[in-house]
Amino acid sequence: EPEVTQTPSHQVTQMGQEVILRCVPISNHLYFYWYRQILGQKVEFLVSFYNNEISEKSEIFDDQFSVERPDGSNFTLKIRSTKLEDSAMYFCASSGRSFGAEQFFGPGTRLTVL
Amino acid sequence: AQSVTQPDIHITVSEGASLELRCNYSYGATPYLFWYVQSPGQGLQLLLKYFSGDTLVQGIKGFEAEFKRSQSSFNLRKPSVHWSDAAEYFCAVGGEYSGGGADGLTFGKGTHLIIQP
Repeated sequence: EPEVTQTPSHQVTQMGQEVILRCVPISNHLYFYWYRQILGQKVEFLVSFYNNEISEKSEIFDDQFSVERPDGSNFTLKIRSTKLEDSAMYFCASSGRSFGAEQFFGPGTRLTVL
Repeated sequence: AQSVTQPDIHITVSEGASLELRCNYSYGATPYLFWYVQSPGQGLQLLLKYFSGDTLVQGIKGFEAEFKRSQSSFNLRKPSVHWSDAAEYFCAVGGEYSGGGADGLTFGKGTHLIIQP
């Protein structure tokens, strides 16, 4: 069964450093998403991506964040200068259609900022 | 803006007993509603979804949910829980359709389900 994969599973970084979180969506999906979940809190939408551009973004997704689909299979989330409050689980998701479609989630990357 | 409320942070149920997890949403138009389950260390797995039509929706693992527009609710039910159902359950709403783009979901805070032997 096709699945969304994410690497690394756990990333530890120093405050102020740049991190790139990687995702491989399901191969025939066209819509891609990043969410985050701070420990003990709810899952929060960050950004969605379609047709090589950002489709929607939340208030959380400020200038420190960027997304990219550098090739036909990867989808990345970059945090330019990490802050302590960026520590969270980051989930990538993909879907085959837009609104109302099931989003398939990856296992997540746990980011720890020290 | 859309929002989701899951009023129960923790629920404890005996194995074999019935289960109902509550979810209330706030959204101006017809929402798209989802229930996801998250086991420890795992990603989110879709249990079921509601788009339109029949308000009683069947999902995987024996779960069902009923959409009640008048109550703005989408409660999840299971007639008999198993120990393997212990997990975190998230209700989510989509539908802020921006016109051709990808629709981010708004999640509730989740309900932690504990199963007693």
